[in-house]
Amino acid sequence: SQKIEQNSEALNIQEGKTATLTCNYTNYSPAYLQWYRQDPGRGPVFLLLIRENEKEKRKERLKVTFDTTLKQSLFHITASQPADSATYLCARAVSGGYNKLIFGAGTRLAVHP
Amino acid sequence: DAGVTQSPTHLIKTRGQHVTLRCSPISGHKSVSWYQQVLGQGPQFIFQYYEKEERGRGNFPDRFSARQFPNYSSELNVNALLLGDSALYLCASKEWQGETQYFGPGTRLLVL
Repeated sequence: SQKIEQNSEALNIQEGKTATLTCNYTNYSPAYLQWYRQDPGRGPVFLLLIRENEKEKRKERLKVTFDTTLKQSLFHITASQPADSATYLCARAVSGGYNKLIFGAGTRLAVHP
Repeated sequence: DAGVTQSPTHLIKTRGQHVTLRCSPISGHKSVSWYQQVLGQGPQFIFQYYEKEERGRGNFPDRFSARQFPNYSSELNVNALLLGDSALYLCASKEWQGETQYFGPGTRLLVL
């Protein structure tokens, strides 16, 4: 099946360090991947989209990479802050007349002061 | 600009009851999608509507139905509720050709 897999274990890091989250996909080649942030009890908030022909994309302290050989996307938060603590979701889009998102289970990030 | 809005925010129902959840998309967005998110998992696609027509359906039973109105708002209906329907129900809107979906705050449904 065409899955999106994220590390289900929570990631705990110290404030100021770089957080790196992983998203792996199998059995297909997505045209692009999206990353969302979700706080408890809230809806996901779009952060970044990276296309298969883009190696890297940045937005402020965020950086996303896309390695089609490894079938993997990495999401980095540099100079992390406690306010970055949340669950981060990776998603791919299935097109064909419509556009549904298939999400990974998400990785919970906790940034400690 | 207002984002996607959903109502109610929380809901408690008992098994066998029916529920209607509501969503208003971002102004100008004609596509609305519904997702179910069970605790500890990512959102799972239920429906997509565009111009009042169903354009996509996920792997959910017929107890789940939805519709979209001329003003592009949408309703999700779930009949014969089961305990397993307890979840956060998310609505997302986007421009039809857009790649980014914008999610509402969700409706937390608890089935007892």
